[in-house]
Amino acid sequence: EVQLLESGGGLVQPGGSLRLSCATSGFAFGSYAMSWVRQAPGKGLEWVSTISSPGGLTYYTDSVKGRFTISRDNLNNTLFLKMDSLRAEDTALYYCAKGDTTGWRNWFDHWGQGAPVTVSS
Amino acid sequence: EIVLTQSPATLSLSPGERATLSCRAGQSVSGYLAWYQQKPGRAPRLLMYDTSKRATGIPARFSGSGSGTDFTLTISSLEPEDFAVYYCQQRNHWPPTFGQGTKVEIK
Repeated sequence: EVQLLESGGGLVQPGGSLRLSCATSGFAFGSYAMSWVRQAPGKGLEWVSTISSPGGLTYYTDSVKGRFTISRDNLNNTLFLKMDSLRAEDTALYYCAKGDTTGWRNWFDHWGQGAPVTVSS
Repeated sequence: EIVLTQSPATLSLSPGERATLSCRAGQSVSGYLAWYQQKPGRAPRLLMYDTSKRATGIPARFSGSGSGTDFTLTISSLEPEDFAVYYCQQRNHWPPTFGQGTKVEIK
């Protein structure tokens, strides 16, 4: 059974940093692209970032480019999202999502339960 | 980026009725469109991909159709567990984008 479990969310002041982790199991982690998708309170889904398999290529939505860094540890089957210079508009539930391919063109076929991030003073 | 416009925003139906949800793309996405279901407090779940292929475990009452810019998700006979929000997503053009969602609520 595919499982994705996010951690590392929390309350942070504007300009602060957080690092999200997504521990995975039940599939060949290194063979698939992995992504972060966020959902602001009461809003829809927004793709944030994707890292290819095995990890040489990264992709970001424009609003987080230069502030967020996606990475992966294929030995420990874990995905990360380092978020710097956080803004109020980054407040959202951040989902870890497994892709069905190795690159950015993915369907998100499995999702974690989400890590809440609140940016507020 | 490709804008996906879903309609209606809310669909009020009774169990057993047929639901028809629309997703329109700002330009052709070929057949690279998917649908997700999200229930309150839960993560999204992949329902359909490549327009008309059902994801693993998705019942046959869900079907997808369309091409180019106009796509439809049909639920042939609504079950109580189908009342949720549905999102479409395209992956033909970078960046991947989602529609704003259609809420299917109990009438």
